[in-house]
Amino acid sequence: AQRVTQPEKLLSVFKGAPVELKCNYSYSGSPELFWYVQYSRQRLQLLLRHISRESIKGFTADLNKGETSFHLKKPFAQEEDSAMYYCALNLWTDKLIFGTGTRLQVFP
Amino acid sequence: GAGVSQTPSNKVTEKGKYVELRCDPISGHTALYWYRQSLGQGPEFLIYFQGTGAADDSGLPNDRFFAVRPEGSVSTLKIQRTERGDSAVYLCASSNGLAGETGELFFGEGSRLTVL
Repeated sequence: AQRVTQPEKLLSVFKGAPVELKCNYSYSGSPELFWYVQYSRQRLQLLLRHISRESIKGFTADLNKGETSFHLKKPFAQEEDSAMYYCALNLWTDKLIFGTGTRLQVFP
Repeated sequence: GAGVSQTPSNKVTEKGKYVELRCDPISGHTALYWYRQSLGQGPEFLIYFQGTGAADDSGLPNDRFFAVRPEGSVSTLKIQRTERGDSAVYLCASSNGLAGETGELFFGEGSRLTVL
């Protein structure tokens, strides 16, 4: 079955430290993956998609088909990065499958 | 409005009652999605509309759940004979095409349903 796994419920780092939020997926086809973010008191929004190979707010994510992973990385975390992060898998259909999310806390 | 609007933002009801949750998508967005998010979980797909028709309702948990979008814009999620397990945040999202093409869903703030 198609599944997205985010093993960490909570990740705490200090400002300026590197961050890696883990995401693994289970899908036999060619996946399309996304990271969505929810800041405090805001709605869920798209952060980045693997197909665009973009860097948003200093975050990048590389699709590793061999390891079936799509980890989100940032070299120097900022306090404003504190939020809930969800990895999502698109099955090239009409719906996204979301992971359970990782809460990132960045301390000053 | 500029974004997806959901009403009510909060709904408390008693077990066995009927509930309606409304979603007003971004103007011009043809696709509309309902997701459910339980505590500590990610959003779980319920149903997807393309225009007025439900293109995929495979995520609806049982026949107590039903959704409509009669004019291809506003959608209503209807829950009959509510149960305590229905308590969750119900999220609506819209997009200007298939999630498969753009991947970007625009979410509302959600309707928090509490069934006592």
